[in-house]
Amino acid sequence: SAVISQKPSRDICQRGTSLTIQCQVDSQVTMMFWYRQQPGQSLTLIATANQGSEATYESGFVIDKFPISRPNLTFSTLTVSNMSPEDSSIYLCSTLGSGANVLTFGAGSRLTVL
Amino acid sequence: GQSLEQPSEVTAVEGAIVQINCTYQTSGFYGLSWYQQHDGGAPTFLSYNALDGLEETGRFSSFLSRSDSYGYLLLQELQMKDSASYFCAVRRKAGTALIFGKGTTLSVSS
Repeated sequence: SAVISQKPSRDICQRGTSLTIQCQVDSQVTMMFWYRQQPGQSLTLIATANQGSEATYESGFVIDKFPISRPNLTFSTLTVSNMSPEDSSIYLCSTLGSGANVLTFGAGSRLTVL
Repeated sequence: GQSLEQPSEVTAVEGAIVQINCTYQTSGFYGLSWYQQHDGGAPTFLSYNALDGLEETGRFSSFLSRSDSYGYLLLQELQMKDSASYFCAVRRKAGTALIFGKGTTLSVSS
């Protein structure tokens, strides 16, 4: 299955700033997915990122707040804009494995907003 | 809307058997998956059911009944290392992301 490298692994940010999370996959993949997981909670899908087209956002998430780039088939970024303490969470990127039924996750980026 | 319901917590002792149930209500269904997540770690895949019936992988088995919108994960011969959160997840259509349940925290004691 694909290996996903995600960075930063953690960061402490000030309110009102923005942070970009990078996700690198060791093989070409069609779709990448971005999830958010608040402490002790489930994984919530933010958006699906396809190469060559705009990301598709889930209800409750908007492009202005979470802009996503997908410049090629191995890389994607998620920016958390104008952060507030409510954005403190773990952000995970993922992709479908070769079996097409298995999601592989990066290790996650733990953001704390003060 | 869509929802996946599973118990929030389960406790058991080493060597025991535990069943974690999941009922779902989603717009579209293309299979039920189970993921394990240890504290501080990323979710990892355990099993996938597209059709009704039982899938067995070592100590873990998963069951699906599409007519009942229900599935379960069965963990046998529990070990301390099985202490983790377990999530059921539904794919609404082929090639799309998963929608996850709230997760079940399993605590295994000696």
